[in-house]
Amino acid sequence: QKEVEQDPGPLSVPEGAIVSLNCTYSNSAFQYFMWYRQYSRKGPELLMYTYSSGNKEDGRFTAQVDKSSKYISLFIRDSQPSDSATYLCAMSRGPGGGNKLTFGTGTQLKVEL
Amino acid sequence: DSGVTQTPKHLITATGQRVTLRCSPRSGDLSVYWYQQSLDQGLQFLIQYYNGEERAKGNILERFSAQQFPDLHSELNLSSLELGDSALYFCASSAPATGGGYNSPLHFGNGTRLTVT
Repeated sequence: QKEVEQDPGPLSVPEGAIVSLNCTYSNSAFQYFMWYRQYSRKGPELLMYTYSSGNKEDGRFTAQVDKSSKYISLFIRDSQPSDSATYLCAMSRGPGGGNKLTFGTGTQLKVEL
Repeated sequence: DSGVTQTPKHLITATGQRVTLRCSPRSGDLSVYWYQQSLDQGLQFLIQYYNGEERAKGNILERFSAQQFPDLHSELNLSSLELGDSALYFCASSAPATGGGYNSPLHFGNGTRLTVT
């Protein structure tokens, strides 16, 4: 079993929809949680960065972390065609564990006009 | 643009050969990380350097090696290449952690696409 599980999709939604992307993990030592967006032939681009449980909002994006359930989510409001990309969750341990990221396999999202 | 520069963008080589991938981190970042991305494995951590010293090692093959130079750029050397080494190789960098050990996020370059024929 992988440390981080993520549904690969593809997920297809109409423009303007609310998108929900999720990851589950098994290692309770993870404390830092990230979402990256990756366009085709490009490197992962950091979208959201959170520490421990709770919510964080940035524009149309909201990241949620529930450490008790080992479950993280990314919500995209008013989705746009430009949001079409692969979304990767990533996480790392706290001090002493280094900054090594463990990634999910990514969810491919397509926002249709 | 993340500020992390990787060269070359594409590399095509034959089995058994050796290649060197280069990475320049963002200005001010001391840590450099190398990741491999393949279709079936996703993004896999290879190795991390901090200010010239190896900090952490992941699933890096013995045929692969890396180093970080005094000017903080890094090189990943891949030798005795096999067909299965064909993948995207990403470099990332991060700033020194702030007080309290709060880890800094990683910023990725656009990768080097390696094709081994």
